[in-house]
Amino acid sequence: DGGITQSPKYLFRKEGQNVTLSCEQNLNHDAMYWYRQDPGQGLRLIYYSQIVNDFQKGDIAEGYSVSREKKESFPLTVTSAQKNPTAFYLCASSTGQGGIQYFGAGTRLSVL
Amino acid sequence: GESVGLHLPTLSVQEGDNSIINCAYSNSASDYFIWYKQESGKGPQFIIDIRSNMDKRQGQRVTVLLNKTVKHLSLQIAATQPGDSAVYFCAEINQAGTALIFGKGTTLSVSS
Repeated sequence: DGGITQSPKYLFRKEGQNVTLSCEQNLNHDAMYWYRQDPGQGLRLIYYSQIVNDFQKGDIAEGYSVSREKKESFPLTVTSAQKNPTAFYLCASSTGQGGIQYFGAGTRLSVL
Repeated sequence: GESVGLHLPTLSVQEGDNSIINCAYSNSASDYFIWYKQESGKGPQFIIDIRSNMDKRQGQRVTVLLNKTVKHLSLQIAATQPGDSAVYFCAEINQAGTALIFGKGTTLSVSS
């Protein structure tokens, strides 16, 4: 099955803790993206990567970090500097910039 | 600035009716638009897209209309079914052509 896999489905973070959300794709897509979705809201872009070993900040990058060491993987770390991390996090990929983005099933992050 | 919005946060229809979901955008230079469907607890699913050189595009039971004069986009769903119940988002490509900008979404409820 080709697609985008996000894990875990649910994640809990303690105060002061960094947590990492996984995103893997086997679609051979060059570009990958991370979005945050709050209840009743649209998606806001956190980070995106158009190619391996390169990534750019989106609209709400503060308190987050990413890496792109492999084409298939684009993990997102929610750091302790992100004071309001509770949200639904969505990963997406596309063949190139500006194209249709395909989404994973999301990770719901809550704070203990 | 870049922003995408929807006219109504909710829309309720009867099964078998046609549904029309509207979206207004602010960037007159936008040249690519996408409609997504998001079911509860899942990632957005691509429905249909349209480029600015077109006024209309049809898919299976769905039609997207683009009015560049008033910067308005609509999604028409024919013979709406209970399985169409979801949140619908319009999205446009940002000015750099690198990422999508999402509206806040319209929740479609279909009663049988």
